[in-house]
Amino acid sequence: TQLLEQSPQFLSIQEGENLTVYCNSSSVFSSLQWYRQEPGEGPVLLVTVVTGGEVKKLKRLTFQFGDARKDSSLHITAAQPGDTGLYLCAGGGSARQLTFGSGTQLTVLP
Amino acid sequence: DTAVSQTPKYLVTQMGNDKSIKCEQNLGHDTMYWYKQDSKKFLKIMFSYNNKELIINETVPNRFSPKSPDKAHLNLHINSLELGDSAVYFCASSQGMSSYNEQFFGPGTRLTVL
Repeated sequence: TQLLEQSPQFLSIQEGENLTVYCNSSSVFSSLQWYRQEPGEGPVLLVTVVTGGEVKKLKRLTFQFGDARKDSSLHITAAQPGDTGLYLCAGGGSARQLTFGSGTQLTVLP
Repeated sequence: DTAVSQTPKYLVTQMGNDKSIKCEQNLGHDTMYWYKQDSKKFLKIMFSYNNKELIINETVPNRFSPKSPDKAHLNLHINSLELGDSAVYFCASSQGMSSYNEQFFGPGTRLTVL
């Protein structure tokens, strides 16, 4: 069974601070996605990374896929209250399904 | 113009009852999924269908029976509900079965079994 552990599980920071969320596994994934979920809604895709070492930027968000494709990180610069939400990483493999991580609940205080 | 819709949004019922959750997508996708999100926010795949054909059936009790009457719909029927079935159930869709593809999620159905 492929497992994805995210850390930290909870993160509460002040507006303007930077933060990094980690997604780690002992398994290799062919792709890694990050989703954000807001209360009462379903997850929404932020990014997909597929190449080891790949870095993608989405405004203030920077996503990195580990060289060995076993881990990923999400860095947010100058966090804003609108970034508040549950961040989920999801690994894709040969089973044609996504394995979701344990989630990081981010709260950005104004 | 909702992409993936689910009904009902909330479902409160007694143990032992049978209930259904409906899902529809208007994105023209050929693959649909059911996920269960527990109280710790862990999201786990239950089923996936491609062109109305069952593709993934994770270790889900056979009290759960998905039905796909056409590519745009995937309903979930649950028999003999148990306390442990309480969770938020999400329907999702994608174009193709590849795990590279973006999955679009519905708003979820919060099921509470008393």
